[in-house]
Amino acid sequence: QMQLQESGPGLVKPSQTLSLTCSVSGGSISSGTYYWSWIRQHPEKGLEYIGNIYYSGSTYYNPSLKSRVTISLDTSNSQLSLRLSSVTAADTAVYYCARGPSDGRGYHHFDYWGQGTLVTVSS
Amino acid sequence: DVQMTQSPSTLSASVGDRVTITCRASQSISRWLAWYQHKPGKGPNLLIYEASTLQSGVSSRFSGSGSGTEFTLTITSLQRDDFATYYCHQYNHYPWTFGQGTKVEVK
Repeated sequence: QMQLQESGPGLVKPSQTLSLTCSVSGGSISSGTYYWSWIRQHPEKGLEYIGNIYYSGSTYYNPSLKSRVTISLDTSNSQLSLRLSSVTAADTAVYYCARGPSDGRGYHHFDYWGQGTLVTVSS
Repeated sequence: DVQMTQSPSTLSASVGDRVTITCRASQSISRWLAWYQHKPGKGPNLLIYEASTLQSGVSSRFSGSGSGTEFTLTITSLQRDDFATYYCHQYNHYPWTFGQGTKVEVK
C-alpha cells in the first residue's frame, strides 16, 4: 500500500527557508509513470498547487511561487523535498505531498496524498 | 489561472439523502477534473478522476459527470462516513487549481 508522510519543522521564522521532506513507501519513487507534487492549504482556505517533479527530474512550479520554490527527488532514500525561500506569514499553511499517475501527456490527478504537515511562519 | 467555483459552499443533509455538488470552470477543461473527499487531519481522498471514472476502492454511491466547464458530483444514499468537505480539481491547464470546497454537514 502506497504511503506518503511529510516531515519538517513546524515553525519557521520570516525571511528564512522552509524545508519539508515527503517519505514514500510501498512503491518506487523513481517509476516513470508518476509525477510527485506539493500542494498547500492556508488556514480556513482552499488548496493551492505548488508544483511537481517527474522521475526524469523535470519540474513545474506555480508561477505565483516560482521564484522561491525548489522541488527535488532523492530516489536512493525514496524522498521528495520542498524548499520555499524568503517565507512570510502568508506561507503559513498545511503542506501536502501527493502522487500523480502520468497518462503520458502530463495530465494528472492525485491518487495518494500524505496526511499533511502544518508549517507556521512566525518570529 | 482557471477559476473553479463550487456550489454550494455548505450543504446540510441527512443520512440516506442524495446530494449533488456542482463545480464550474472559468474555461473549458475538457474532462480533466477530479473530485476529492477531505476530512480534518487527513490528506484528501481521491473519489473520481477524468470527470466520471470512479477510483478503485471507492463506493459506487459516488458518481461524477460533466465536461467542458460544468461538472457534478453526486452521492446517493449519504452515509455517516460521507460527512466531509469535497473539492473539485482541474488538471487541464497549469497551474492546476481547486474549487473552494463544499462542506457536507449533518442537517
